[in-house]
Amino acid sequence: NAGVTQTPKFQVLKTGQSMTLQCAQDMNHNSMYWYRQDPGMGLRLIYYSASEGTTDKGEVPNGYNVSRLNKREFSLRLESAAPSQTSVYFCASSGQKGGNEKLFFGSGTQLSVL
Amino acid sequence: GIQVEQSPPDLILQEGANSTLRCNFSDSVNNLQWFHQNPWGQLINLFYIPSGTKQNGRLSATTVATERYSLLYISSSQTTDSGVYFCAVAASGSARQLTFGSGTQLTVLP
Repeated sequence: NAGVTQTPKFQVLKTGQSMTLQCAQDMNHNSMYWYRQDPGMGLRLIYYSASEGTTDKGEVPNGYNVSRLNKREFSLRLESAAPSQTSVYFCASSGQKGGNEKLFFGSGTQLSVL
Repeated sequence: GIQVEQSPPDLILQEGANSTLRCNFSDSVNNLQWFHQNPWGQLINLFYIPSGTKQNGRLSATTVATERYSLLYISSSQTTDSGVYFCAVAASGSARQLTFGSGTQLTVLP
């Protein structure tokens, strides 16, 4: 039982390059999330998915796209990376059916955009 | 939206000491969670506690929803308790509306 698994752990991009962050959970959770964590800004929600096939914008969605491939997987794509997207990215999941909305995080991806 | 304020921002303890971290919030909540971010960056969910009291080993948490605050108690602290402790709250029960506080940086010295 791995919980929430995200890859890669580290990535360096040049401005304008694209990449996809992968996330998978094995807890049968309905909801999945992508956050970014910046010094002094705390954790901010980029996108979330309440269930398979649905996605919604969070607080800071600009420059990102997401895909909820199935119940287990939720990916985050940067189409044209910018230095402002240098951050630590966390995937999270919550909410078994009938359960509480306790949030579980992956181990994070440290992204640098040069 | 809900405002979340954590105190103190920084705390340094000697191993074995006890501590209390506080989370104040500006409106009624139906979802409140405490997290520990260890020095390697991993975020661990400590408690889901929109009201009442819970205990897990040396850690316990109390939320007084009517007075809009939550407390995290750490007893007999260990060096492995070091890291940042975040409180997150939401007016609804949904995790997608969680607002995170700025955290308390705890350093436990050997």
